[in-house]
Amino acid sequence: GAVVSQHPSWVICKSGTSVKIECRSLDFQATTMFWYRQFPKQSLMLMATSNEGSKATYEQGVEKDKFLINHASLTLSTLTVTSAHPEDSSFYICSAWGMRGSYNSPLHFGNGTRLTVT
Amino acid sequence: AQKVTQAQTEISVVEKEDVTLDCVYETRDTTYYLFWYKQPPSGELVFLIRRNSFDEQNEISGRYSWNFQKSTSSFNFTITASQVVDSAVYFCALSEARTGNQFYFGTGTSLTVIP
Repeated sequence: GAVVSQHPSWVICKSGTSVKIECRSLDFQATTMFWYRQFPKQSLMLMATSNEGSKATYEQGVEKDKFLINHASLTLSTLTVTSAHPEDSSFYICSAWGMRGSYNSPLHFGNGTRLTVT
Repeated sequence: AQKVTQAQTEISVVEKEDVTLDCVYETRDTTYYLFWYKQPPSGELVFLIRRNSFDEQNEISGRYSWNFQKSTSSFNFTITASQVVDSAVYFCALSEARTGNQFYFGTGTSLTVIP
């Protein structure tokens, strides 16, 4: 089955530094990737939708200059948390929509990245 | 307005008991899709089921079963003879044909199965 690989699984960084999270589709072409954020004991909140080769569409309230998303190829999307602060500490999950599936196919999720900013 | 409501925040059951997780959705689309995902403590999301709006047939998969009722806009999930490994957070989600690929997740139900 389709697999989405997310890297790193966890990262600890110092306040003020930037962190890049990668999301790769391993055996299908992901025309659309989604980035979610999940606070402890809460649901997944959609941050942005990225389509290959175009700018990401951010949800209301998500700072696009803070959370840089790049979807340069059909198999890779990256989320960069710039100038991270402790309040950015969270669980970030990517998901991908494959060309092999129709729009109603289940999303394939990465395993998530736990970011801790000290 | 919340498109997917999971009223049960936390549920605890004793092993081997049956448990039903409720999910109520709201949509104006006639074509939509409903999903259940499991999120164990490790964090990854595990796909459990997808159901489209034209298929109200209930489904059983091992100890899992799903009851889709369009009349009440509900898509409930039952675990029979629960096991400790079932302990996780379960999310119900909705995808509308109109908005394409966007998923709307419920707030999740945290299930604890006590041995």
